Amino acid sequence: QQPVQSPQAVILREGEDAVINCSSSKALYSVHWYRQKHGEAPVFLMILLKGGEQKGHDKISASFNEKKQQSSLYLTASQLSYSGTYFCGTARDSGAGSYQLTFGKGTKLSVIP
Amino acid sequence: NAGVTQTPKFQVLKTGQSMTLQCAQDMNHEYMSWYRQDPGMGLRLIHYSVGAGITDQGEVPNGYNVSRSTTEDFPLRLLSAAPSQTSVYFCASSYSGTGVSYEQYFGPGTRLTVT
Repeated sequence: QQPVQSPQAVILREGEDAVINCSSSKALYSVHWYRQKHGEAPVFLMILLKGGEQKGHDKISASFNEKKQQSSLYLTASQLSYSGTYFCGTARDSGAGSYQLTFGKGTKLSVIP
Repeated sequence: NAGVTQTPKFQVLKTGQSMTLQCAQDMNHEYMSWYRQDPGMGLRLIHYSVGAGITDQGEVPNGYNVSRSTTEDFPLRLLSAAPSQTSVYFCASSYSGTGVSYEQYFGPGTRLTVT
């Protein structure tokens, strides 16, 4: 089942902050965040694992609420290069390990001067 | 390292034709996967593999076949192309056999049009 992302689109001025949310109706093992620029492949930003472990870039922050099956990506002091579509991918906690990432429909972020 | 490579970059097929999309990675990753991306739908998993000789279905497997005879290669076969298979196809790989504990590296994509 596809996670739900919000908002669907957001426009920021350079220097402003944004939060992108991702929620699932199922218990999660991990949440991935990727950014895709137009005509390009998705690029990894961050992974948040059940139990609190995080892996990702220093300039990106995110949270993972395991009880609520929700994750948020925090973009601070936005730059023009932050523009793109952001996808969250969730892996369900099946107990025996999970092998499938299910992606949301994406959040289109536009940063303007 | 070339990372994840995909060929061709663009392809036009007629309904009923078959073809193979190629994917290769040189990072010795266990996990490989194929996604399709349609406007407004995000990325949907077609098939995945957790190692050579092991494959399984994702969300939208109908009309596609895969095999994994080597760690490096994971081709996607369209058996009889249909207009509904018009999409951008991405191959991805990940270090871990589970595919969900480590980042996935995406190839540049293949844009397929079926007329």
